[in-house]
Amino acid sequence: SAVISQKPSRDICQRGTSLTIQCQVDSQVTMMFWYRQQPGQSLTLIATANQGSEATYESGFVIDKFPISRPNLTFSTLTVSNMSPEDSSIYLCSVAVGFRDTEAFFGQGTRLTVV
Amino acid sequence: SQQGEEDPQALSIQEGENATMNCSYKTSINNLQWYRQNSGRGLVHLILIRSNEREKHSGRLRVTLDTSKKSSSLLITASRAADTASYFCATGPRGGSNYKLTFGKGTLLTVNP
Repeated sequence: SAVISQKPSRDICQRGTSLTIQCQVDSQVTMMFWYRQQPGQSLTLIATANQGSEATYESGFVIDKFPISRPNLTFSTLTVSNMSPEDSSIYLCSVAVGFRDTEAFFGQGTRLTVV
Repeated sequence: SQQGEEDPQALSIQEGENATMNCSYKTSINNLQWYRQNSGRGLVHLILIRSNEREKHSGRLRVTLDTSKKSSSLLITASRAADTASYFCATGPRGGSNYKLTFGKGTLLTVNP
């Protein structure tokens, strides 16, 4: 298992600004994942973050909008840049444990409201 | 696009009753998992069932998997008010990265005391 600390837990931001979300894991993991959950919706994978390399982004998400850092095996950040009200969502950090039967563990999420 | 589709989208029951949620998916999978999310917080892993398994139990949870129909069900028996949450299925793809889970749209379960 893995324990993930994510912060901030919530924030209200002005449009046009940026917010950096931090994710700390209690053990070393190869890959970390960032998800977005829009109001009343399911989780959508933004990107996969590997230590020492650039993040891999899913279709519809770009590095300029969601830059990710992964400086070591226990930490990652996601920045939501130049925010608009459409970015209001819950952002979740996740790690996957296990080789064949992978289980995902999640942080408590960051509830972002852009006004 | 979302791999899994849960139904119903919302379910309201009385405490003590059983709750059944269904999930359908489209592609071949290695496993299927169920997660719970309380009030917009992080997700908690409930149970994993492999593609070669048909049924699995964990406490008050019972999961079935029918790969021929590409569907799964989650049964919560003797529900409690604390079971009130959103429940999501997630699939791990066969032949792809096991780490990339695809989540369904979720079922919002309300258990009334």
